[in-house]
Amino acid sequence: GAVVSQHPSWVICKSGTSVKIECRSLDFQATTMFWYRQFPKQSLMLMATSNEGSKATYEQGVEKDKFLINHASLTLSTLTVTSAHPEDSSFYICSPIGAGAPPAETQYFGPGTRLLVL
Amino acid sequence: TQLLEQSPQFLSIQEGENLTVYCNSSSVFSSLQWYRQEPGEGPVLLVTVVTGGEVKKLKRLTFQFGDARKDSSLHITAAQPGDTGLYLCAPKKPSGSARQLTFGSGTQLTVLP
Repeated sequence: GAVVSQHPSWVICKSGTSVKIECRSLDFQATTMFWYRQFPKQSLMLMATSNEGSKATYEQGVEKDKFLINHASLTLSTLTVTSAHPEDSSFYICSPIGAGAPPAETQYFGPGTRLLVL
Repeated sequence: TQLLEQSPQFLSIQEGENLTVYCNSSSVFSSLQWYRQEPGEGPVLLVTVVTGGEVKKLKRLTFQFGDARKDSSLHITAAQPGDTGLYLCAPKKPSGSARQLTFGSGTQLTVLP
């Protein structure tokens, strides 16, 4: 099956610093990448959708200048949390789809990145 | 936006007990998926139900799609600690669609040994 990796798996940073999260699709080309955020004991909430080579589309309430998404290649997308604050502490999950991806029945997810902002 | 309500929100039971969780919506779905997410990991697909009234079994897990295709249930028989996790329902993404999955509010299940 498809393999999606995220790096780092967890990160602790000081308030005000920026953190970059990488998401890689290892055996298919991700033309579209979804980024989700999940707070403890809650469901996944879509943050943004990015298409390779295009600007990301952000969901209502998600600050595009704070959560920078780069999807410059078909196998790598990055989410940068700029000037992180404690309220940004969350579990961030990517989900790629695209050419050669598993059947549409299955949407694969990365293993997630746990961010803790002190 | 399709609103998916799951109940209960939290459930803590002893090993060996049975349980049922529900996924309800005011919308009609062509099909619906159930995912399980373990702590620190991404969601993993359990099953897709397509036909109204359909029942699918996955070992001790029984999934049912409502006749009107607006609701679904997941029943676990003789729960085990390994069943602990967040159970999420989501309408199936149409084939070839780039539309993202919208998840239900989730049921956090804890099975105590």
